[in-house]
Amino acid sequence: NAGVTQTPKFQVLKTGQSMTLQCAQDMNHNSMYWYRQDPGMGLRLIYYSASEGTTDKGEVPNGYNVSRLNKREFSLRLESAAPSQTSVYFCASSVALNYNSPLHFGNGTRLTVT
Amino acid sequence: RKEVEQDPGPFNVPEGATVAFNCTYSNSASQSFFWYRQDCRKEPKLLMSVYSSGNEDGRFTAQLNRASQYISLLIRDSKLSDSATYLCVVTPGASNYQLIWGAGTKLIIKP
Repeated sequence: NAGVTQTPKFQVLKTGQSMTLQCAQDMNHNSMYWYRQDPGMGLRLIYYSASEGTTDKGEVPNGYNVSRLNKREFSLRLESAAPSQTSVYFCASSVALNYNSPLHFGNGTRLTVT
Repeated sequence: RKEVEQDPGPFNVPEGATVAFNCTYSNSASQSFFWYRQDCRKEPKLLMSVYSSGNEDGRFTAQLNRASQYISLLIRDSKLSDSATYLCVVTPGASNYQLIWGAGTKLIIKP
């Protein structure tokens, strides 16, 4: 049982390049999330998907797009990377969008934009 | 003022000692509270939920003080494996499901 799988683990981009972070979960969870974590700050929600077919903006959506491809997969796309997007990105999933559903995180993607 | 504030530490504690740290939150409408644990360069993992009456899980005790708007985490008989960053997580209100995360308190247990 792999849980939440993110790829890639590391990535270096030049300003203006694009890339897609992939995330898949095998726990049959309905809700999925993308967070970024920066030094000295709490995790910040970029986008989330309450269920298959829906996506919503989180706290810091600018510069990102997402796709809930199916129940298992939720991808995050950076269309034109900027140095301010250098961060560690975590995908997470939960049974449902409610407070009683703990989040299960992937291993993270360390992204550097030069 | 940040919505969720934690002392970043690090707290350097000898093995076997008891350590406690707090997390303050600004929104009095917050409904639910959690502690997550994050090991160095790893993903966060749920440690425990925090209930109004307080709750205990082995060596870990979590408490909520609504009047003063803080939650606490107490670790007894600390182990080397407890070394990690502890993240406080708060819900902003009854109808908003976007969790608010503290930046974490780093704990180092020394032999």
